[in-house]
Amino acid sequence: DAGVIQSPRHEVTEMGQEVTLRCKPISGHDYLFWYRQTMMRGLELLIYFNNNVPIDDSGMPEDRFSAKMPNASFSTLKIQPSEPRDSAVYFCASSFRGGGSSYEQYFGPGTRLTVT
Amino acid sequence: QQPVQSPQAVILREGEDAVINCSSSKALYSVHWYRQKHGEAPVFLMILLKGGEQKGHEKISASFNEKKQQSSLYLTASQLSYSGTYFCGTELLTGSQGNLIFGKGTKLSVKP
Repeated sequence: DAGVIQSPRHEVTEMGQEVTLRCKPISGHDYLFWYRQTMMRGLELLIYFNNNVPIDDSGMPEDRFSAKMPNASFSTLKIQPSEPRDSAVYFCASSFRGGGSSYEQYFGPGTRLTVT
Repeated sequence: QQPVQSPQAVILREGEDAVINCSSSKALYSVHWYRQKHGEAPVFLMILLKGGEQKGHEKISASFNEKKQQSSLYLTASQLSYSGTYFCGTELLTGSQGNLIFGKGTKLSVKP
C-alpha cells in the first residue's frame, strides 16, 4: 500500500487566498483525522471522520476552516480566507478500528503551509 | 485535557537508557506512543490498552498504569536512530471514540 497520500507537500500563499489541502487515506481504513502542528501548540486534532461522517470538529479553529470527506478515499481541508497564523504543517492520518478497539494511526507526509 | 509529558528534552550517549513519562488528568482508555523525526511525519510505536499492560518493541517498551492515568516509555541501550521527538496520544475513557489528544512531545537526542 502507498500509505496516506497528501497534496500538495508545500503550499505558499498570500493572506486572503483560499487554500485546499487534500488527503487520500489507506484503503480500507474507516477513520480519517486532520491535524495541525506548530512549534507553539504542538500536534492538534482539527477534525475526524468515521465512515466519511464528521464525528468531532471541535478542534477546527474558526469558520474559515472547513473539511469534507465525499467518499472513503478522499478528504479535503479548506481554509478561506487564509491568514499568516494558519502557517503550520497539516497532517492527515487514517486508521482502522472495525470492531471498536483502538488502532494505530498512519500519518501522511504532511503539507507545509506558509501564508505570507 | 492535554497529557503532560516529561521531560521536555533529554540528551543521551549511545547505549544509555531513558524514560519518558505521560500523565493525564482524565481516565484513559488507551495510550499511543509515536516518534517523529525532524521534517517527517509521526510514526506509530505502540498502543497500550489495559491498565498495567506492558509492551515491547525491540529495545523500546512501555507501561500503562490505569489507576495513576500514566504511561511511561522506556528506551534501553539507546541507538543513534532513536533520536527524535516522542509523543504520547491519549484516548479518554469517556471521550469521542478514536479521538487522540497528543502531549507536547519529548525531544530525545542520542549522541555518539
